[in-house]
Amino acid sequence: ELKVEQNPLFLSMQEGKNYTIYCNYSTTSDRLYWYRQDPGKSLESLFVLLSNGAVKQEGRLMASLDTKARLSTLHITAAVHDLSATYFCAVVLMDSNYQLIWGAGTKLIIKP
Amino acid sequence: NAGVTQTPKFQVLKTGQSMTLQCAQDMNHNSMYWYRQDPGMGLRLIYYSASEGTTDKGEVPNGYNVSRLNKREFSLRLESAAPSQTSVYFCASSRTGMSEKLFFGSGTQLSVL
Repeated sequence: ELKVEQNPLFLSMQEGKNYTIYCNYSTTSDRLYWYRQDPGKSLESLFVLLSNGAVKQEGRLMASLDTKARLSTLHITAAVHDLSATYFCAVVLMDSNYQLIWGAGTKLIIKP
Repeated sequence: NAGVTQTPKFQVLKTGQSMTLQCAQDMNHNSMYWYRQDPGMGLRLIYYSASEGTTDKGEVPNGYNVSRLNKREFSLRLESAAPSQTSVYFCASSRTGMSEKLFFGSGTQLSVL
């Protein structure tokens, strides 16, 4: 059974600081998604990471994937208030159904 | 661009009542999904439809039924609502299959009293 663990689950930080959210998963997979959810809103895809060593960047967010360590990171550089949201990682279970297993989410609050 | 449209946005039910959540997508996607989101938990898959004419159970199907009416529409029915079904429900779609990027509707906040 694939388990996906995110940490921290809650993060409050100041604008301008850097921080990293971690996503660990328990079985083999080579496809991982990061999604963002604003309070009371729907989810929006940020990144898809397709192979070991994959790195994607958009603005102040950078995501990476290490399939050997079964770890993905979402790094926030010089955080700004607009990045306040809940961030989810979701891992594709590489069986016949290719089911998507979700982490619990990291609620990020960035204070001005 | 409407994307994935989900109705209603809010609903309050009494225990034992029934209701249907409606979902439609205009992106010509083959696959559609219903998820529920509970506080402190990730999304959990209720049912999915890999393609028109097919439906399959997800992780938490008990108490729900679905209908893939056509390629655009995928509805979720609660036949006899229970307080444990209080949750936020999301419909989503993807081009082909769960390993693809998902596009989500705006969600339905459901309370069962």
